Amino acid sequence: DQQVKQNSPSLSVQEGRISILNCDYTNSMFDYFLWYKKYPAEGPTFLISISSIKDKNEDGRFTVFLNKSAKHLSLHIVPSQPGDSAVYFCAASGDNDYKLSFGAGTTVTVRA
Amino acid sequence: NAGVTQTPKFRVLKTGQSMTLLCAQDMNHEYMYWYRQDPGMGLRLIHYSVGEGTTAKGEVPDGYNVSRLKKQNFLLGLESAAPSQTSVYFCASNYYGTRYEQYFGPGTRLTVT
Repeated sequence: DQQVKQNSPSLSVQEGRISILNCDYTNSMFDYFLWYKKYPAEGPTFLISISSIKDKNEDGRFTVFLNKSAKHLSLHIVPSQPGDSAVYFCAASGDNDYKLSFGAGTTVTVRA
Repeated sequence: NAGVTQTPKFRVLKTGQSMTLLCAQDMNHEYMYWYRQDPGMGLRLIHYSVGEGTTAKGEVPDGYNVSRLKKQNFLLGLESAAPSQTSVYFCASNYYGTRYEQYFGPGTRLTVT
């Protein structure tokens, strides 16, 4: 039973526009959330994270929003660039837990 | 630094054969992990280790064994491969202090026929 869900397998967006990726979780013990980016034939790389004590975290073009009451987080990429075309994984962890639970991923395609 | 490396990159096995996947990291990380990635399933944790000589089961450990004899290496073994173990395998590692931000290797694509 997946505790982290990314219900949109794919997203296509025009270059320069905003990409919004969504992630839902079911485990109320999760208190730290991460986004990873993965290119074909490479391993995932860490992108941005957020602790449950915050509701927003920004890093350049990437912003993650957390809504604890809805058990929902989103990743905004503004503006989207061709190099952003990749698979994005949402992940979550509970306090004092070494392990990450991953969502199934969303494939983002940025059109020129 | 090479970061996290995985050997081999590709492998085809017949059902019942055995093999070992090697993960090596040169970042002096305490924690190491083995995941498998399947279409529509994301990454699922197979086994992990919080230090040399220690291992623990993850979400999908059946059919796999692991060993961490040296801090920098984490081996994943398949004793009797099955078609259901066809997958892409990723190794990851991190420091105790940054335990959530894991560094991943490039992956091993395994096909069991």
